[in-house]
Amino acid sequence: KQEVTQIPAALSVPEGENLVLNCSFTDSAIYNLQWFRQDPGKGLTSLLLIQSSQREQTSGRLNASLDKSSGRSTLYIAASQPGDSATYLCAVIGNQFYFGTGTSLTVIP
Amino acid sequence: EAGVVQSPRYKIIEKKQPVAFWCNPISGHNTLYWYRQNLGQGPELLIRYENEEAVDDSQLPKDRFSAERLKGVDSTLKIQPAELGDSAVYLCASSPRGRLKETQYFGPGTRLLVL
Repeated sequence: KQEVTQIPAALSVPEGENLVLNCSFTDSAIYNLQWFRQDPGKGLTSLLLIQSSQREQTSGRLNASLDKSSGRSTLYIAASQPGDSATYLCAVIGNQFYFGTGTSLTVIP
Repeated sequence: EAGVVQSPRYKIIEKKQPVAFWCNPISGHNTLYWYRQNLGQGPELLIRYENEEAVDDSQLPKDRFSAERLKGVDSTLKIQPAELGDSAVYLCASSPRGRLKETQYFGPGTRLLVL
């Protein structure tokens, strides 16, 4: 079974700082990897989807990379803002979606 | 376009009572998913429907959980009887054709507390 780990579990940074969230997985036979954002009391919102043939995807201040061979993905957030505060989940898509436990991000004004 | 709709948003029940959750996916989406998310954890798949057929229910605790999607549109997830360990957020998601290269669209979830 695919195991997905996210480090750190929680992160607190001052506004304006650049930061990196990490996701690792045990089985490299994946279709895609997807990063989601979850706000308290709400569902998941898709941020970026990286297909297995791609190495990275960018959207605004977000950049996600994928290294299948090493079983790792990173989500880079540039110039963080208080509105970025949320839990960030990565999901590895094999025969189903396998989610990590998430990183809870707090951006301090 | 309306998103995935779930109701109720919150439910508090006593253990051994039954409870049901409802989900209406995005119009035209053939595939519907139910997930359970425990506190501090990522969502875990319970069941996946392709139209009205349950194509993956291997992680659904069938002794107390049941689900249906009778007309291939909205779906109901039921727990009977509920146990303390069932306290969690139950998320519904949908996708157009259920292909693994598609993204899934999530509803806001139903937060269940079993006392």
